[in-house]
Amino acid sequence: ILNVEQSPQSLHVQEGDSTNFTCSFPSSNFYALHWYRWETAKSPEALFVMTLNGDEKKKGRISATLNTKEGYSYLYIKGSQPEDSATYLCAFMVGSGYSTLTFGKGTMLLVSP
Amino acid sequence: GAVVSQHPSWVICKSGTSVKIECRSLDFQATTMFWYRQFPKQSLMLMATSNEGSKATYEQGVEKDKFLINHASLTLSTLTVTSAHPEDSSFYICSATDPGGVGYTFGSGTRLTVV
Repeated sequence: ILNVEQSPQSLHVQEGDSTNFTCSFPSSNFYALHWYRWETAKSPEALFVMTLNGDEKKKGRISATLNTKEGYSYLYIKGSQPEDSATYLCAFMVGSGYSTLTFGKGTMLLVSP
Repeated sequence: GAVVSQHPSWVICKSGTSVKIECRSLDFQATTMFWYRQFPKQSLMLMATSNEGSKATYEQGVEKDKFLINHASLTLSTLTVTSAHPEDSSFYICSATDPGGVGYTFGSGTRLTVV
């Protein structure tokens, strides 16, 4: 059974704060690591798909890094805004592009004005 | 970007009845659709993978006779919870591969409550 751990479980920050979350996954047989943002009552939205060790991806104020050898990925949000409030999910894929995603429980972020 | 429309967003049904959940890909063809279930404070758990025109592949521990999946067209997949019981109350969500984008495209989910 694959285990994907996310920490912290929840986070409450003030507008303008920068924050980061962690996703830990098995380091063997790695294929890809996905990050999603999931706002309440909406569909999860894909942020990044990361495949290479050392990968660093950026989308606006959000960036992510990947370490496949030690099995972790960090998601950073610079200058958090209230609209960043959401649950951030990571999901791990083994083996090949035809295998399925195993999700973590998510980190719930609340940004107060 | 690609959109998957999922209906209903919530449903309450009586124990013993069946409920159908639909997922439609609006602007792309979804050859493969994934169905997940999420219990409170738990992660999204894959229930089954459906491929258009063929039988779905169910994950270990998921009863295929209880959770009927139909993927008869490239734009529609349905999940029917048959003879629902209170323990089937959960959040169900579908996803499909986004051919032109990043990652997978998800529906908005269905909250099922069985009373």
